[in-house]
Amino acid sequence: NAGVTQTPKFQVLKTGQSMTLQCAQDMNHEYMSWYRQDPGMGLRLIHYSVGAGITDQGEVPNGYNVSRSTTEDFPLRLLSAAPSQTSVYFCASSDRGSAKETQYFGPGTRLLVL
Amino acid sequence: GQQLNQSPQSMFIQEGEDVSMNCTSSSIFNTWLWYKQDPGEGPVLLIALYKAGELTSNGRLTAQFGITRKDSFLNISASIPSDVGIYFCAGQHSGNTGKLIFGQGTTLQVKP
Repeated sequence: NAGVTQTPKFQVLKTGQSMTLQCAQDMNHEYMSWYRQDPGMGLRLIHYSVGAGITDQGEVPNGYNVSRSTTEDFPLRLLSAAPSQTSVYFCASSDRGSAKETQYFGPGTRLLVL
Repeated sequence: GQQLNQSPQSMFIQEGEDVSMNCTSSSIFNTWLWYKQDPGEGPVLLIALYKAGELTSNGRLTAQFGITRKDSFLNISASIPSDVGIYFCAGQHSGNTGKLIFGQGTTLQVKP
């Protein structure tokens, strides 16, 4: 049971480039989320999903797209990277079936946009 | 966007001392969570609180869900060097599972 995995661990992009941050979980969790972490601001929700085929926007969705074609995977796409998207990105998952709903986080992807 | 106010922002303490940090919100939450983040890692859940007034312990850690449902605190007793890290509070509204609102974090440094 690997939990929540994220790839890549590090990435450097030039402004205007596109890329996809991968997230996978093997716990059969219905809920998955993407957060970004910036110094002094904690974690802010980008997009989340309550199940395959269902996604919704979080607090800071602009510049990011998501899709949820399977329960296991929840990729985050940057269509045209900007320096303001330099951040650490965390994926998380949780089990809707549990009475105690808590989120499990991946190790993060550190992104630098030049 | 909505944020939780977490304080203090940072703490530098001596090993063996007790630590207290808290979070306040202008809105009501049905769940309060406390996470710890080690350098280069994702946050790890320490304590989850589900009921107003609830007091829960996890080893040397104790957290409480405020009666008003708008605040929570975390205490660490007899701190040790491995307590170093960033501690985050997070709140969750009913029916919005998967959407956590995080505090800004408290950075804890422990001097041996």
